[in-house]
Amino acid sequence: DTGVSQDPRHKITKRGQNVTFRCDPISEHNRLYWYRQTLGQGPEFLTYFQNEAQLEKSRLLSDRFSAERPKGSFSTLEIQRTEQGDSAMYLCASSLRAGLDTQYFGPGTRLTVL
Amino acid sequence: AQKVTQAQTEISVVEKEDVTLDCVYETRDTTYYLFWYKQPPSGELVFLIRRNSFDEQNEISGRYSWNFQKSTSSFNFTITASQVVDSAVYFCALSEGGGSNYKLTFGKGTLLTVNP
Repeated sequence: DTGVSQDPRHKITKRGQNVTFRCDPISEHNRLYWYRQTLGQGPEFLTYFQNEAQLEKSRLLSDRFSAERPKGSFSTLEIQRTEQGDSAMYLCASSLRAGLDTQYFGPGTRLTVL
Repeated sequence: AQKVTQAQTEISVVEKEDVTLDCVYETRDTTYYLFWYKQPPSGELVFLIRRNSFDEQNEISGRYSWNFQKSTSSFNFTITASQVVDSAVYFCALSEGGGSNYKLTFGKGTLLTVNP
């Protein structure tokens, strides 16, 4: 039984570069969520997918951020022209269905922008 | 708008002591869900418990117990006979139902340190 996986676990980049993270949800989970967590804070919602449809985006998700979930399986989160303020832990979670579901989290990708 | 407050930023106890982590929430919905997650130093959020707004029964799981009181909008978490392995950041979270996307709103977390 595999949980949610994320790749890479750590990413160091220079300001202005583009980065892409991947999330593989638990098999058959049709909901997938992205959150961002900065030091000393709780995770904050960024966006979520039901199957391949992106149904909501937080205002935290600027135009430099884009997320996809082709075919309703894995998801990618891309940040273009990274800024130092983008440094954070990016967490992915999945849940089986709407309603009485629990979100299970992956290990996260820690992004450091120099 | 929904909000979760964890007033205790850090708690330090000695092993075998009991400790209670406080969580107060705000929501306008009548249908909602409350969660506790544990985040050890490795960083991965580990699910501990889910409670829906219609079930105010307290729950016990081993050394862990949860006290849900709608009258005070609180969902407190108690660890009995704490152990060093309980050291982590604990997050309380709220999810509104009623057709929403069930996104989680987290508190800022409580860092629990259990000393030997």
